[in-house]
Amino acid sequence: AQSVTQLGSHVSVSEGALVLLRCNYSSSVPPYLFWYVQYPNQGLQLLLKYTSAATLVKGINGFEAEFKKSETSFHLTKPSAHMSDAAEYFCAVREAGGGADGLTFGKGTHLIIQP
Amino acid sequence: DTAVSQTPKYLVTQMGNDKSIKCEQNLGHDTMYWYKQDSKKFLKIMFSYNNKELIINETVPNRFSPKSPDKAHLNLHINSLELGDSAVYFCASSPLGQSNSPLHFGNGTRLTVT
Repeated sequence: AQSVTQLGSHVSVSEGALVLLRCNYSSSVPPYLFWYVQYPNQGLQLLLKYTSAATLVKGINGFEAEFKKSETSFHLTKPSAHMSDAAEYFCAVREAGGGADGLTFGKGTHLIIQP
Repeated sequence: DTAVSQTPKYLVTQMGNDKSIKCEQNLGHDTMYWYKQDSKKFLKIMFSYNNKELIINETVPNRFSPKSPDKAHLNLHINSLELGDSAVYFCASSPLGQSNSPLHFGNGTRLTVT
């Protein structure tokens, strides 16, 4: 069975500082990994995805993530935080060949940007 | 233009009532899902459905039932609503058999049971 662990339910950074949101996964087969962002009272928007083509994945809004198989990690980073980045971030996993079983989400990390 | 749309956006109702949430996608996807997001923002899959199979999360009460009139629609019916059903419900879709494809989500329906 697949699972995702996001370390830190809340992360606070200053505007302009590095953003690092942690995600570790567990999967019995090669996984596909995703990061989604949820702004207040909105749906989930895809930030980026790892599908085995490249270990460093670039997404929207200046975010990127690196897949590290040895560490079973897929941490999300952004070099310089902006106030508009304040939101809830979800890491999700889907197993290759998983059919119609959807995504398994982590519990989310609330990103707070300090002015 | 909206890829996955849900109605209503807000739903306030009393305990014991029966309600439905509608979902439509115009992406041509074969698989649709319902997720529940609780007050702590945790997202949990309730159902996934394509034209061949319905996969039900075993923790979902049988008061919840998905209905799919066609490939582009997956509605959620809830009978005998309870206080604990209050949550945000998200519909999503993805292509069938493409595990490397992300899910596309609607904007959610906030259900409040009083």
